[in-house]
Amino acid sequence: DTEVTQTPKHLVMGMTNKKSLKCEQHMGHRAMYWYKQKAKKPPELMFVYSYEKLSINESVPSRFSPECPNSSLLNLHLHALQPEDSALYLCASSQDTWGQQPQHFGDGTRLSIL
Amino acid sequence: AQKITQTQPGMFVQEKEAVTLDCTYDTSDQSYGLFWYKQPSSGEMIFLIYQGSYDEQNATEGRYSLNFQKARKSANLVISASQLGDSAMYFCAMREADSGNTPLVFGKGTRLSVIA
Repeated sequence: DTEVTQTPKHLVMGMTNKKSLKCEQHMGHRAMYWYKQKAKKPPELMFVYSYEKLSINESVPSRFSPECPNSSLLNLHLHALQPEDSALYLCASSQDTWGQQPQHFGDGTRLSIL
Repeated sequence: AQKITQTQPGMFVQEKEAVTLDCTYDTSDQSYGLFWYKQPSSGEMIFLIYQGSYDEQNATEGRYSLNFQKARKSANLVISASQLGDSAMYFCAMREADSGNTPLVFGKGTRLSVIA
């Protein structure tokens, strides 16, 4: 079982809906990440939070809005998504953003936009 | 320029045999880390093994070992005694560390199929 928990596992939404993806870790990690992964491609970094502050935003459209309420939780708020946003969304955490500790990933949320 | 190159889109291996998945990387940093991840069809990314650029010994974790050849900038993953459950996509990744907060960069992956 992964130590990074993502909910929901699957999500189907219309282009006008508002939904949120949730990620939780209890390993005491201070860095958390959102990735987007299309089929048969490697994960692409979207956002990095370090000590609950956004430190990297990889030019992600504003229809994706991250939030880090505390050191254990990471949300990704979705609004007015497009069909091309259908993908696997992976959350990860690591001890911090320095050093070479591995990132630990959740099981992902499979998102389908109708 | 691509920082991580995995030249094998797909590999087949017989059960109980060993298999090597290739990975080469490109960096001018002196300090960096190399990682291998496994992704089954269910989607989760599973961390397998890590090699630091200053580590003199090749990393090993159970049936996984990393053949690190720094001068050739290669970090191949060796899986010994393959099992059917090893069938998955395998990603090599690198993180440069000289300038601090840098992202993890993934290769395109190699799909491994283990045959009974």
